[in-house]
Amino acid sequence: KAGVTQTPRYLIKTRGQQVTLSCSPISGHRSVSWYQQTPGQGLQFLFEYFSETQRNKGNFPGRFSGRQFSNSRSEMNVSTLELGDSALYLCASKRGPNTEAFFGQGTRLTVV
Amino acid sequence: GENVEQHPSTLSVQEGDSAVIKCTYSDSASNYFPWYKQELGKGPQLIIDIRSNVGEKKDQRIAVTLNKTAKHFSLHITETQPEDSAVYFCAASKGQGGGSYIPTFGRGTSLIVHP
Repeated sequence: KAGVTQTPRYLIKTRGQQVTLSCSPISGHRSVSWYQQTPGQGLQFLFEYFSETQRNKGNFPGRFSGRQFSNSRSEMNVSTLELGDSALYLCASKRGPNTEAFFGQGTRLTVV
Repeated sequence: GENVEQHPSTLSVQEGDSAVIKCTYSDSASNYFPWYKQELGKGPQLIIDIRSNVGEKKDQRIAVTLNKTAKHFSLHITETQPEDSAVYFCAASKGQGGGSYIPTFGRGTSLIVHP
């Protein structure tokens, strides 16, 4: 059974640019959540999607957005990148809202 | 909102020893407490979880205890092995919109098991 797949694994962007990260959940999983991991702030929840609808949102500025497609794949977008957006972005999929979360390996974003 | 404190930040043990990681939480409504292991270059992996209606749960060498009154929970690893070396995260959560459980994570404990 394939795990959660995140692409790309590594990304380098310049301040002011925008970036789109992709997450393919485990087959049959309909819930996808996104997290930001940094040494300073740790693991922080960004948002969660279930059946193409955003169910919950963390305390991040509007530059961070996401969406989920009908096949449960999800993308997150960060616009007007700042140096502080450099982080490991993790995606987690769940079969349903109240079930175990499985994390992908993450996308390492570096903003220069 | 929820606040989770995790201690220690670093834990160094000899192979075969036990390791204990402790977490406290602030929101008495939290009722689901997962523990994750993150190895270098990988995403967090759920290793054990406990719900608030249970005081203790074991899975082979790993156990978790929960004290709801004191709002703290702990991870116990017995007979540690070098492959247990990783960063461990505790988390606390409760039902949110749509019945989802959104975890608030501790800052992590780097466990080093020396052969």
